[in-house]
Amino acid sequence: GENVEQHPSTLSVQEGDSAVIKCTYSDSASNYFPWYKQELGKRPQLIIDIRSNVGEKKDQRIAVTLNKTAKHFSLHITETQPEDSAVYFCAARWALGQLTFGSGTQLTVLP
Amino acid sequence: NAGVMQNPRHLVRRRGQEARLRCSPMKGHSHVYWYRQLPEEGLKFMVYLQKENIIDESGMPKERFSAEFPKEGPSILRIQQVVRGDSAAYFCASSPGGQGQETQYFGPGTRLLVL
Repeated sequence: GENVEQHPSTLSVQEGDSAVIKCTYSDSASNYFPWYKQELGKRPQLIIDIRSNVGEKKDQRIAVTLNKTAKHFSLHITETQPEDSAVYFCAARWALGQLTFGSGTQLTVLP
Repeated sequence: NAGVMQNPRHLVRRRGQEARLRCSPMKGHSHVYWYRQLPEEGLKFMVYLQKENIIDESGMPKERFSAEFPKEGPSILRIQQVVRGDSAAYFCASSPGGQGQETQYFGPGTRLLVL
C-alpha cells in the first residue's frame, strides 16, 4: 500500500517567518494530496490540496508544491502568525480513495 | 449545509462492552471513511463505505470491528468486546465521490475511553 513520510515532526518559527513541511509518498499511482490542520482536541480541517496534474497551488499565505517524479510534496506557510500553531498532516490518496496520512508536524509560531 | 456529524462525541466503556459510533455525512455525500487516531499520532485509515457497500476494509481489524452504511441512516462503526487498546479518537470523513470530488471533510470525532 501507500506509505507517506513527513518531516519535520516539530517546527518552531518566529512570527512573520516562513514554515516549510515536506512529505514523500511511495505509490506513483497516488493522484491527490491534501493538507490538514488539526488544533488540539479538534477535527482535521482541510487547508489546501493539490492534484497530480498540477505542480503548484497557492491560497493567500499557503502554498503547496508537488514533484511527481521525485514523489514529494511540500507545504509552505508565509508570514506565519500565532494562530497558525497546530499539527499539520499531509496525505496521499491512493487505490480506491482512502487517504494515507503522514505522521504530523507540530508547528509552533513564537510571538 | 450541515457538516459531517458524529455522535456521541465522548464515549466511556468498560472492557468487554460494545461501542457504537455514528457518522452522518454531509448532505449530498455518499462516500464515508473511518479513521482512528491514537493520542499524539496520525490518522490511520480503517474502512471506506458507500451506501450499502463496503469498498475497502483493509485497515480495520478482522476481529471485533465492523462497519456499515445503510441505505437510510448514518454510518455505524461497531466495536465489540472493547479492550483498553481501543481507546482513541475515531473520525469519520465524507466526500461526494466521483472524478474531481475527492475532498474529504471530517467530523468532530468520537473520543472512546475504555476503562
